[in-house]
Amino acid sequence: GESVGLHLPTLSVQEGDNSIINCAYSNSASDYFIWYKQESGKGPQFIIDIRSNMDKRQGQRVTVLLNKTVKHLSLQIAATQPGDSAVYFCAETGNYGQNFVFGPGTRLSVLP
Amino acid sequence: NAGVTQTPKFRVLKTGQSMTLLCAQDMNHEYMYWYRQDPGMGLRLIHYSVGEGTTAKGEVPDGYNVSRLKKQNFLLGLESAAPSQTSVYFCASSYVTGDTEAFFGQGTRLTVV
Repeated sequence: GESVGLHLPTLSVQEGDNSIINCAYSNSASDYFIWYKQESGKGPQFIIDIRSNMDKRQGQRVTVLLNKTVKHLSLQIAATQPGDSAVYFCAETGNYGQNFVFGPGTRLSVLP
Repeated sequence: NAGVTQTPKFRVLKTGQSMTLLCAQDMNHEYMYWYRQDPGMGLRLIHYSVGEGTTAKGEVPDGYNVSRLKKQNFLLGLESAAPSQTSVYFCASSYVTGDTEAFFGQGTRLTVV
């Protein structure tokens, strides 16, 4: 079936550097693409979303880019901090938000 | 405001036993979901509900049943637990149709031996 996946399972960055987490998706019909953060022992937490008719959306220290031509989604975290260490999931959903399809996740480790 | 609360947090079952996982949300959300999370496989949708009294199957519904008798509660049942159901289970809720922000509970770690 359709799925959302990730290029890299792990990513290590130095504190203060920028992080880029990538995601490939296959369902061209998805209306929204979402990033979630999951800290150890906790449930996923919403970070930011982007609608399929947009290319870029910015939040606080995060930017999501959507390239529909190559079906690629990325999450950029500026000035990565130790508190950013977590597993990041991309997800996609249709307009009715009834079924979020999650990718396998990327573990981000922030090095001191 | 507690958000989404799951009970219990941990449980060990013997093969063939049954149990019910409880999810409660206090945000008046219409949509509720049950996911399972296995290593390297992300979250997979088991069942979901779009309102009180309604339920629907997700990606991996076999071996599970659900009920949504009250808007704030969503129950996940395992009638005859199997080792393949060893996983971390997450409940989530969202407000309305098209809402991309789902709120997750802390998870229930279930081991079936």
